[in-house]
Amino acid sequence: EDQVTQSPEALRLQEGESSSLNCSYTVSGLRGLFWYRQDPGKGPEFLFTLYSAGEEKEKERLKATLTKKESFLHITAPKPEDSATYLCAVQDTGNQFYFGTGTSLTVIP
Amino acid sequence: AAGVIQSPRHLIKEKRETATLKCYPIPRHDTVYWYQQGPGQDPQFLISFYEKMQSDKGSIPDRFSAQQFSDYHSELNMSSLELGDSALYFCASSLGLLDSSTDTQYFGPGTRLTVL
Repeated sequence: EDQVTQSPEALRLQEGESSSLNCSYTVSGLRGLFWYRQDPGKGPEFLFTLYSAGEEKEKERLKATLTKKESFLHITAPKPEDSATYLCAVQDTGNQFYFGTGTSLTVIP
Repeated sequence: AAGVIQSPRHLIKEKRETATLKCYPIPRHDTVYWYQQGPGQDPQFLISFYEKMQSDKGSIPDRFSAQQFSDYHSELNMSSLELGDSALYFCASSLGLLDSSTDTQYFGPGTRLTVL
């Protein structure tokens, strides 16, 4: 059973076209939800940690929100340099980490 | 600023051989995490250490073992290598466990292991 599901798998946006990425999870107890950015061949870059429903975090053009069953990563007015794979991971109360398969974002100039 | 260092960056081994991957966390970071990422796959959490003690264990095969040393660097030992072990192995570090909204995890560049 998938613990973490990300959608869409791939997303192409025009520069400046805002959108949202989704991460839904089914773990029984959530300890934390993490968003990462990963460029090809490189290690994931940690973006946000969210711990409780209703929590929001912002960083430049990115904003992450969390509900009891999903998280959204909102990208406002994206730029080509925002092109990357965005990974979501959850840590359950048993301290297991589960990663989603990521959303590949391409921002076209 | 100093980042997480992993060595070697690339490693080629034959089946049934052993391999040791090293991870040097950011100075003063006391927590280390190991992840395995196969080609086109999402990262899989293997194991983590906090203050030189194993803190969490994920999908680490019994053929693998790891430890964290007194200087907080960590080594992942892999024995009886199989073709399916070919992957990128990432190490990450943090100051303390990831249990507050201000905690941040930093990843190293990874070690690419190829098993022939």
